Amino acid sequence: ETGVTQSPTHLIKTRGQQVTLRCSSQSGHNTVSWYQQALGQGPQFIFQYYREEENGRGNFPPRFSGLQFPNYSSELNVNALELDDSALYLCASTHSIGGIEGYTFGSGTRLTVV
Amino acid sequence: QKEVEQNSGPLSVPEGAIASLNCTYSDRVSQSFFWYRQYSGKSPELIMSIYSNGDKEDGRFTAQLNKASQYVSLLIRDSQPSDSATYLCAVSRREISSGSARQLTFGSGTQLTVLP
Repeated sequence: ETGVTQSPTHLIKTRGQQVTLRCSSQSGHNTVSWYQQALGQGPQFIFQYYREEENGRGNFPPRFSGLQFPNYSSELNVNALELDDSALYLCASTHSIGGIEGYTFGSGTRLTVV
Repeated sequence: QKEVEQNSGPLSVPEGAIASLNCTYSDRVSQSFFWYRQYSGKSPELIMSIYSNGDKEDGRFTAQLNKASQYVSLLIRDSQPSDSATYLCAVSRREISSGSARQLTFGSGTQLTVLP
């Protein structure tokens, strides 16, 4: 149990559809990041939210958007799905103790676009 | 040049041997360095973190950091078949233009197989 929960675990969508992925992190972990991991690759940073505002974004188009809520849950929304969006989507809760960072990943959502 | 590069795999070692995994990074302002283990179909699991030059040991795992050479490595002693997984090197840097964002930049991973 990592303390970071993602849902759903698997999802199949059709090209052009929209999808919402969800993440719930531990109380007090007020920074959440989303990553996309294509098969055989390392995770790639999509964006980060801190206190409900986006404060960092990777090289992803605007059709990738997100939200963070006061209860430490967050969402990743992807519009106009493309076949290349098929990947494992990971949510990471970040926290700082004594100035040292820690990152905890959720179990991920496997998205398949057909 | 990739921002984080890992030695190409797959890497196979016999049970009980030392597995050596290497990683180089291009951004000199990188502050934090991590090794994650990822089993097939699972999410990455943090094994080691290192922030200062030198060695850091935790059980069978030793991380080594050399900021001058922009190099970080992971040694696994007495390798076990359960260590068979993909090992991801990740680097954290402060994104000055994005406020306090601290994204992780990952390498592509090295697949390790420990043979019984």
